[in-house]
Amino acid sequence: GENVEQHPSTLSVQEGDSAVIKCTYSDSASNYFPWYKQELGKRPQLIIDIRSNVGEKKDQRIAVTLNKTAKHFSLHITETQPEDSAVYFCAPSLKGGTGKLIFGQGTTLQVKP
Amino acid sequence: GAVVSQHPSWVICKSGTSVKIECRSLDFQATTMFWYRQFPKQSLMLMATSNEGSKATYEQGVEKDKFLINHASLTLSTLTVTSAHPEDSSFYICSARLDRGFYGYTFGSGTRLTVV
Repeated sequence: GENVEQHPSTLSVQEGDSAVIKCTYSDSASNYFPWYKQELGKRPQLIIDIRSNVGEKKDQRIAVTLNKTAKHFSLHITETQPEDSAVYFCAPSLKGGTGKLIFGQGTTLQVKP
Repeated sequence: GAVVSQHPSWVICKSGTSVKIECRSLDFQATTMFWYRQFPKQSLMLMATSNEGSKATYEQGVEKDKFLINHASLTLSTLTVTSAHPEDSSFYICSARLDRGFYGYTFGSGTRLTVV
């Protein structure tokens, strides 16, 4: 099955700095790569995703880059704000088949004002 | 669109009793529903995958006789925690896969279960 590793487990940055979280996966067949943000006690929210035929995708301050050869993808947040503080999860999956999401261990991001 | 309604949002039950959690897709048909459990400060762990009209597929280590999943219709999936014990206290959350011209997932709001 899919083995997912996420680093770092915690990340503390000053407001306005950039944050990068990396996700490594094992199943080379994975072709859907989302990032979720979860606030305490709430459901995960999709913040950005990328498909396997694309190397990079950007949405305002958030971007995701994919390296299929090395089997990792990264979340980039620029100009961080205190409201970005949350836990972020990667969850690579295979579109088709069961399509189940296997979540990484999570990264707690703290943005200090 | 693509909303999954999950109830209850929280429940407290006595040890040994059973608790049922419902996830209902409001504006689409959910052929596949996933059930996750999340302990404090941990990741979401997939418990099982349910497909409408068939038996659920459980992940390794998840007791299918303890966590009963029913997906009898395209809009309703239920998880019943039977003979609950304090160690079953957790955040349970469902997710439906979307396949309507775009690919993704929608999550229920979660159920906080406390077994006393």
